[in-house]
Amino acid sequence: SQQGEEDPQALSIQEGENATMNCSYKTSINNLQWYRQNSGRGLVHLILIRSNEREKHSGRLRVTLDTSKKSSSLLITASRAADTASYFCATDGGSGGSNYKLTFGKGTLLTVNP
Amino acid sequence: NAGVTQTPKFQVLKTGQSMTLQCAQDMNHEYMSWYRQDPGMGLRLIHYSVGAGITDQGEVPNGYNVSRSTTEDFPLRLLSAAPSQTSVYFCASSRRGSQGNQYFGPGTRLLVL
Repeated sequence: SQQGEEDPQALSIQEGENATMNCSYKTSINNLQWYRQNSGRGLVHLILIRSNEREKHSGRLRVTLDTSKKSSSLLITASRAADTASYFCATDGGSGGSNYKLTFGKGTLLTVNP
Repeated sequence: NAGVTQTPKFQVLKTGQSMTLQCAQDMNHEYMSWYRQDPGMGLRLIHYSVGAGITDQGEVPNGYNVSRSTTEDFPLRLLSAAPSQTSVYFCASSRRGSQGNQYFGPGTRLLVL
């Protein structure tokens, strides 16, 4: 079963704009991760946020986590055409889970138009 | 380091045929996993391994076998291919004790006719 569900399913913006993607999950977590997948390629890890963290930054990426609402958001600032990709959130299943058994959402397809 | 490598990149099978998807990593990671990705879906866990000689089932294990004789290799076997196994298969590895970010291979695209 899908643990994480991303929203929206697809997002199209202009270069320079900010892109926000949301993820909701169902059970407790130890941490939540975001991955990027370029068309026809494998997934690349972007950022991880632990359950006791509320916000984390990495370059142009900002991730927030609200464990009370079981939701997370990924913000990409000043987007570039190279950011065009699918973005997935992944969770580890909390105390009964593990970091090698991730559950992925269906992803958000981001298109950044030049 | 080559990271996680997968072969073949693309394969066409007929229903009932068997084949092995290869996965290797050179990062000395203890954990390895196999996922499948279907159109419009996220990744679903097929099998995983926490070390050489230890494997377990994920969310969708039916029709697949795995073994882990070495730390580096984690092959996925399709016993009798079915059209429902048409998918893109990804292998991933991670280090024990890390926070859990996985390193993914480039994928194998499988078409079962």
